[in-house]
Amino acid sequence: GQQLNQSPQSMFIQEGEDVSMNCTSSSIFNTWLWYKQDPGEGPVLLIALYKAGELTSNGRLTAQFGITRKDSFLNISASIPSDVGIYFCAGQPRRIANFGNEKLTFGTGTRLTIIP
Amino acid sequence: DGGITQSPKYLFRKEGQNVTLSCEQNLNHDAMYWYRQDPGQGLRLIYYSQIVNDFQKGDIAEGYSVSREKKESFPLTVTSAQKNPTAFYLCASSVGRQPQHFGDGTRLSIL
Repeated sequence: GQQLNQSPQSMFIQEGEDVSMNCTSSSIFNTWLWYKQDPGEGPVLLIALYKAGELTSNGRLTAQFGITRKDSFLNISASIPSDVGIYFCAGQPRRIANFGNEKLTFGTGTRLTIIP
Repeated sequence: DGGITQSPKYLFRKEGQNVTLSCEQNLNHDAMYWYRQDPGQGLRLIYYSQIVNDFQKGDIAEGYSVSREKKESFPLTVTSAQKNPTAFYLCASSVGRQPQHFGDGTRLSIL
């Protein structure tokens, strides 16, 4: 199965810095999702994007649905210690039937570490 | 509280043994999913079910089996045919066009 190209693979930053990460795909997606995973736990949904060009914020997090439908970006402003974890993007392809839940394709994750 | 419950948190399998991972949700979601996560990789879909008594293979279904006899439950069996079962297994559910929500996972190891 296809996996999205997510970058960077890891980031080491100082508290208070801004963070940017992105996902790219060779296929068009109808929906982009961003999740955060803490060690030993399941991913938690951060932001969902449904329209090309859409820019959505959730507190210090901002995500954008790329205009080509083949990429998405996540920014975190003024990072704090609890931002540490692995961030995953996920995409859903263009809907064919008007019901049901299409399969998600996940990126390989960006591991965020905050240096004291 | 509504949510997705996976059990056990940790599971050990002996050679040649089948083991079953539990996933229960009280969110009244129609669709349920099983993913496998290996270190440094994204989530890979094993099986999914959009409705009771129906399920489809995902990208890596070989060596796994599922059932969906009740809306709330979607157990995953890791069979002896799965030669590399050590991984973190995640269950998710969703309804309509809403995003998937995940349980806290089961870590399976080989004895």
